[in-house]
Amino acid sequence: AQTVTQSQPEMSVQEAETVTLSCTYDTSESDYYLFWYKQPPSRQMILVIRQEAYKQQNATENRFSVNFQKAAKSFSLKISDSQLGDAAMYFCASGAGSYQLTFGKGTKLSVIP
Amino acid sequence: DSGVTQTPKHLITATGQRVTLRCSPRSGDLSVYWYQQSLDQGLQFLIQYYNGEERAKGNILERFSAQQFPDLHSELNLSSLELGDSALYFCASSVVDFTANEQFFGPGTRLTVL
Repeated sequence: AQTVTQSQPEMSVQEAETVTLSCTYDTSESDYYLFWYKQPPSRQMILVIRQEAYKQQNATENRFSVNFQKAAKSFSLKISDSQLGDAAMYFCASGAGSYQLTFGKGTKLSVIP
Repeated sequence: DSGVTQTPKHLITATGQRVTLRCSPRSGDLSVYWYQQSLDQGLQFLIQYYNGEERAKGNILERFSAQQFPDLHSELNLSSLELGDSALYFCASSVVDFTANEQFFGPGTRLTVL
């Protein structure tokens, strides 16, 4: 069984600044994957970034990067140079193999112009 | 655009009724997942199909059922609908590469039960 916890229901960031969204997880799997999904007001679920648990190097995708601390079971998302279009719900998720994803409750990110 | 399509976009119906939600996966994806997103429960996994066969089951009610057809599209059937079934229903698909689990989500079907 897997659990994912996002302890920040809401966050805000000034445009062009950096913000970090927190996520902790628990899993009994030895081989698993972690994801951050973005859900804008359109409600579409958009994959932002993914991390394979066996990789030590933190994943990066342009302005998005993660801080993966395997021993602490922590997987935070850092958004640099925040833009108005980054305003959305962000969901942390974990999955093992090709089975279902387990999602956290989400963090609502507001970007202040 | 993820390549996953879902119809209809919106559905409004009454309690006790039955509805069918349809999903077409990305070209080449063999696995389809159904998720329910409600305000109080967040995103919950319902069921997964792989190449026509049921592969995993989550918190899916007995009133709900699904299937995946030979052309790989999937349908989620919801019957004896209750007010609490109002939610956004997502379909996702993946290749089912056993080294990865990247799922691509459709735009969702918003179900409103009155």
